[in-house]
Amino acid sequence: ETGVTQTPRHLVMGMTNKKSLKCEQHLGHNAMYWYKQSAKKPLELMFVYSLEERVENNSVPSRFSPECPNSSHLFLHLHTLQPEDSALYLCASSQLAGGSYNEQFFGPGTRLTVL
Amino acid sequence: GQNIDQPTEMTATEGAIVQINCTYQTSGFNGLFWYQQHAGEAPTFLSYNVLDGLEEKGRFSSFLSRSKGYSYLLLKELQMKDSASYLCAVVDSNYQLIWGAGTKLIIKP
Repeated sequence: ETGVTQTPRHLVMGMTNKKSLKCEQHLGHNAMYWYKQSAKKPLELMFVYSLEERVENNSVPSRFSPECPNSSHLFLHLHTLQPEDSALYLCASSQLAGGSYNEQFFGPGTRLTVL
Repeated sequence: GQNIDQPTEMTATEGAIVQINCTYQTSGFNGLFWYQQHAGEAPTFLSYNVLDGLEEKGRFSSFLSRSKGYSYLLLKELQMKDSASYLCAVVDSNYQLIWGAGTKLIIKP
């Protein structure tokens, strides 16, 4: 496997279900990100992990819970979601360098539908 | 507030040239990215500009004017496979990436 992978690619869940999205990066990067992408809207940054520590949480509802067990893996745990949470969830990784910004590499995303 | 503006949708003809504009108002500036995203796929990196001027990379070029808060992506010799969304993103003073909503480019034969 190369690059950034995400599973599952598609997920349909009810509002009372609990599910998890998985992301894995094979690039040796030290930062990972979760984004939400809704139609015709800018990418919304949800969470950022740097060196496995969460550094940013952009006021995301508690029904989304991230987990970063190591620098290569990132999870997004979902519970009691709402229909408006239906979107494409993208994972990305990058190499952090002090005082500069490196491009982010994205996974293919998980298309989530909440019924 | 911080804002990135780009057209929602554009249409162009195969073999032609198209310019996709991006204007931004952000708290500081540490570079601007262009990404391409085909439907149902991951965004992929196209270009990064941090200094004023034109950066050329094959059929694609990206231009930046920091004084005007303006960038464009120029695509030449359009091919059907160039049909995609093009995302503009700016790195602000806190090294946060601010994203535009993307421009959907439709290429017609």
